[in-house]
Amino acid sequence: GESVGLHLPTLSVQEGDNSIINCAYSNSASDYFIWYKQESGKGPQFIIDIRSNMDKRQGQRVTVLLNKTVKHLSLQIAATQPGDSAVYFCAEKSGTYKYIFGTGTRLKVLA
Amino acid sequence: EAGVAQSPRYKIIEKRQSVAFWCNPISGHATLYWYQQILGQGPKLLIQFQNNGVVDDSQLPKDRFSAERLKGVDSTLKIQPAKLEDSAVYLCASSLERQGAGELFFGEGSRLTVL
Repeated sequence: GESVGLHLPTLSVQEGDNSIINCAYSNSASDYFIWYKQESGKGPQFIIDIRSNMDKRQGQRVTVLLNKTVKHLSLQIAATQPGDSAVYFCAEKSGTYKYIFGTGTRLKVLA
Repeated sequence: EAGVAQSPRYKIIEKRQSVAFWCNPISGHATLYWYQQILGQGPKLLIQFQNNGVVDDSQLPKDRFSAERLKGVDSTLKIQPAKLEDSAVYLCASSLERQGAGELFFGEGSRLTVL
């Protein structure tokens, strides 16, 4: 299917290496954040979330770090695999039920 | 658990024609969203519903776009008349908020091409 994000920033990593994807959010009052993965031709899929009262949260092979001082969010993927190739979006919850998405980063995993 | 269902998956129309997209959210999810995703960009919120009431439609181009959510379940998004710049993927999402947080579950999207 047609690719999502042909003109997005791209991060290329070697298979087995760790990946770090960064995101700057806009609203200092945002209290909840989510990382999504979007494969070509599909809707975004939830990866991991974090509330603003936390600095770090770990999942299976993924870690999200939140730095509220500089309004920065990062997603770390350990031992990156070919199946991790996709576009990654961060989303911030700004206000009641309202989620705002970033522009996205394309992750390419090199064999 | 069934996911968010959307139809049609693909639609090609000429400018000035009309189109409608349908969404069935996950059962029990009170909040429903329509997002527009233009190629190379992140999803942009068009409208969000809480049950069958509109919470936010500030970014919906109301001169040509309309949406409704009858009975607080299914929703339709309509574009009339369509413009070339409406070519995008229209994503529907639903969520079950708990204590001020809750992930959005997305459908596969409806890809619109306006010629």
